[in-house]
Amino acid sequence: QSVLTQPPSASGTPGQRVTISCSGSSSSIGSHTVNWYKQLLRTAPKLLIYNINQRPSGVPDRFSGSKSGTSASLAISGLQSDDEADYYCAVWDDSLNGWVFGGGTKLTVL
Amino acid sequence: EVQLVESGGGLVQPGGSLRLSCAASGFTFSSYDMHWVRQATGKGLEWVSGIGTAGDTYYAGSVKGRFTISRENAKNFLYLQMNNLRAGDTAVYYCARGALGFDYWGQGTLVTVSS
Repeated sequence: QSVLTQPPSASGTPGQRVTISCSGSSSSIGSHTVNWYKQLLRTAPKLLIYNINQRPSGVPDRFSGSKSGTSASLAISGLQSDDEADYYCAVWDDSLNGWVFGGGTKLTVL
Repeated sequence: EVQLVESGGGLVQPGGSLRLSCAASGFTFSSYDMHWVRQATGKGLEWVSGIGTAGDTYYAGSVKGRFTISRENAKNFLYLQMNNLRAGDTAVYYCARGALGFDYWGQGTLVTVSS
């Protein structure tokens, strides 16, 4: 059971906007910035969003992040077939003195 | 080009030991925190351990006291010494560079703990 709670699955049709939530606590999301990762078919994960809403070079602006209190969200607009992947949130947790990942959300493009 | 290449995985019996290595290139290794993250088959990502530029170390509760992270800046290597291995440690182990998140990852090395 993860310290960060994500829905196990999400889905959308091409062109739609989908959001994936990540719920934490005051010692994790409430105190630190959240990062998001995309993983295709159990290959190495890729950093998608850092510092809540910043995109590394090469990540399209269809991907955006936000945070409110002890929860964060990843939004994907203009859904494409190659967005189908597993998505993970991650944050530093003061009470654990370590990084924690959400359980992951499998995104299906219908 | 940033590259991280893990090695040292394999099959080990419960209670055994293994040392993973991560060869880094394409960046100033000594200037970055480094981490190990693992993923069991069919499961999510789990942060295992991290080491700062000053050599400060951090561990997940599940491995504390059994695993030791270290780095050799002169050779651009990251290590993970794993002792008293359990079946639950079976996973692909990734090394990752820590900068504004884990921004670069290796391809992983598989550790299987089984008798």
